[in-house]
Amino acid sequence: SYELTQPPSVSVSPGQTARITCSGDALPKQYAYWYQQKPGQAPVLVIYKDSERPSGIPERFSGSSSGTTVTLTISGVQAEDEADYYCQSADSSGTYEVFGGGTKLTVL
Amino acid sequence: QVQLVQSGAEVKKPGASVKVSCKASGYTFTSYDINWVRQATGQGLEWMGWMNPNSGNTGYAQKFQGRVTMTRNTSISTAYMELSSLRSEDTAVYYCARVISGSSSGFDYWGQGTLVTVSS
Repeated sequence: SYELTQPPSVSVSPGQTARITCSGDALPKQYAYWYQQKPGQAPVLVIYKDSERPSGIPERFSGSSSGTTVTLTISGVQAEDEADYYCQSADSSGTYEVFGGGTKLTVL
Repeated sequence: QVQLVQSGAEVKKPGASVKVSCKASGYTFTSYDINWVRQATGQGLEWMGWMNPNSGNTGYAQKFQGRVTMTRNTSISTAYMELSSLRSEDTAVYYCARVISGSSSGFDYWGQGTLVTVSS
């Protein structure tokens, strides 16, 4: 079955830039989406279609794509950005959706 | 404003079934697919399947095929997810989520989640 691979954890100091990667064979063909999830809350969409930002999401959140890897970048990280981040995409046929394993972002 | 409001927590015995509801408001229910995603405690998100509220068409993750059924009642703008033959590993928070406008994937609005506990 199709898998998306994320690093389990990323740590940055406030004000620095955090980059979270997500790798999958079908990513050149399928868009990626990113979600932020804080404890006890439902996920929140922060990036869609690789690099688009929904209204209400701060400009410090951005997304990019290169080959089989997509990247979520958070510039000028703030304490409130500490959360779990998940990428999501579809398999090459578009039949099945899949989530990455999630990355815990720690703000030091 | 768009809202997805789910039914309350459930406790079920192994082998039983559970049916979770997801009531939509603030938009035209039949215009956006609904997906279901679950999350076991301390674990990641797991996609279960999708339903088109207009046609009733569905698609399920291979892991759940034969055990999950997604339905809807358009008159009350409500989607349902029923999972049968429950086992302890099905203990999780279950979310409904709406697909992004103009897209075939990606979820812009989520329900608050429904905790399903499977225990003897």
